[in-house]
Amino acid sequence: QAVVTQEPSLTVSPGGTVTLTCGSSTGAVTSGHYPYWFQQKPGQAPRTLIYDTSNKNSWTPARFSGSLLGGKAALTLSGAQPEDEAEYYCLLLCSGPWVFGGGTKLTVL
Amino acid sequence: EVQLVESGGGLVQPGESLRLSCAASGFTFSSYWMTWVRQAPGKGLEWVANIKQDGSEKYYVDSVKGRFTTSRDNAKKSLYLQMNSLRAEDTAVYYCAVVREDYWGQGTLVTVSS
Repeated sequence: QAVVTQEPSLTVSPGGTVTLTCGSSTGAVTSGHYPYWFQQKPGQAPRTLIYDTSNKNSWTPARFSGSLLGGKAALTLSGAQPEDEAEYYCLLLCSGPWVFGGGTKLTVL
Repeated sequence: EVQLVESGGGLVQPGESLRLSCAASGFTFSSYWMTWVRQAPGKGLEWVANIKQDGSEKYYVDSVKGRFTTSRDNAKKSLYLQMNSLRAEDTAVYYCAVVREDYWGQGTLVTVSS
């Protein structure tokens, strides 16, 4: 089973831009992994931010975008807001099992 | 309004069984794959199982294969997770979800401890 890796923690300044990445131990992440991104705040259920690499749900703020970058899935936040401080998880739909990354704790400071 | 409401969690001893339920409303339950995701205390998300719209296909994470079974009753708009031979490492909040649509329950806590 693949191991999915994310940065354990990142810090961004208010109004700044940050990119979170999601890699796979089995090789390059492609659109065929249908990458997902989730946001989870303390004590809350996760919320689905991005699906199928770059598609947004109706609630997803425009400042979030998904892409493939250098063999990884990427979540870019442009114009960070204090309310974006949260844990972010990626999910790859590998052949058979789904695999979550370990999560990135994003601090807006 | 879309709602997913999990129930059935609680404290059990290692080796015992528990059945989780997830009641759906506000969307066409029978049209969607359903997913179970769990989160151990202070840890990350872990995919547990998926079940197809008609229940004909089911997939599980390796660590629960042979112990957990997911099922659904489309007439009752309900999803189930039968958990047998529970272990301490199964302790987690269990969420049901339609991940792509951002439909998530609030989760139910399962604690396996002697």
